[in-house]
Amino acid sequence: AQTVTQSQPEMSVQEAETVTLSCTYDTSESDYYLFWYKQPPSRQMILVIRQEAYKQQNATENRFSVNFQKAAKSFSLKISDSQLGDAAMYFCAYQMGGNEKLTFGTGTRLTIIP
Amino acid sequence: GAVVSQHPSWVICKSGTSVKIECRSLDFQATTMFWYRQFPKQSLMLMATSNEGSKATYEQGVEKDKFLINHASLTLSTLTVTSAHPEDSSFYICSAQRLGGVLNQPQHFGDGTRLSIL
Repeated sequence: AQTVTQSQPEMSVQEAETVTLSCTYDTSESDYYLFWYKQPPSRQMILVIRQEAYKQQNATENRFSVNFQKAAKSFSLKISDSQLGDAAMYFCAYQMGGNEKLTFGTGTRLTIIP
Repeated sequence: GAVVSQHPSWVICKSGTSVKIECRSLDFQATTMFWYRQFPKQSLMLMATSNEGSKATYEQGVEKDKFLINHASLTLSTLTVTSAHPEDSSFYICSAQRLGGVLNQPQHFGDGTRLSIL
């Protein structure tokens, strides 16, 4: 079974600084998808960024970028120029294929220090 | 963009009653929807996969007679918590993925339902 591990229950960063959230996963599949979701106190699940395993290029979305290391099964999220609105729970998620379930990590609570 | 609507957002009811939660895809069709449960300060755990026109697939440890799922159309799935008890109190959230078109469309989540059983 696929598993997703987030080893950092909590992280904090000064506003405008950069922070990296870690995620590792375990799978025997070669094609799959990886995601980072943000869950603010409202508990909405907001897609931050996604990565297709067959793509070597790391995904980027404005201030958010990933470091995808397929051989190491690592998928970290880098947030640049951190803003107060970035404060939330961040979940790393794995999906085996299109229209398949998501397997979530345990989450990392990110605090932004003004 | 694609939107998933979940209703109600918050429900409080007495122990022993049944509660129905609806999940609708508003501008796309979804043959498959997913129901997750989230306890406070924990992650989302998949409860079941809802399949249009067929029986839902439940994860291990989830009571199918307790959590009834009906996916009657390509835009609606419902989760009914039968004879609810305080231990069923939780945050329930659904998701759906657009059918067809470009593959690997991301799943879209409803806003969740906070269920409190007194």
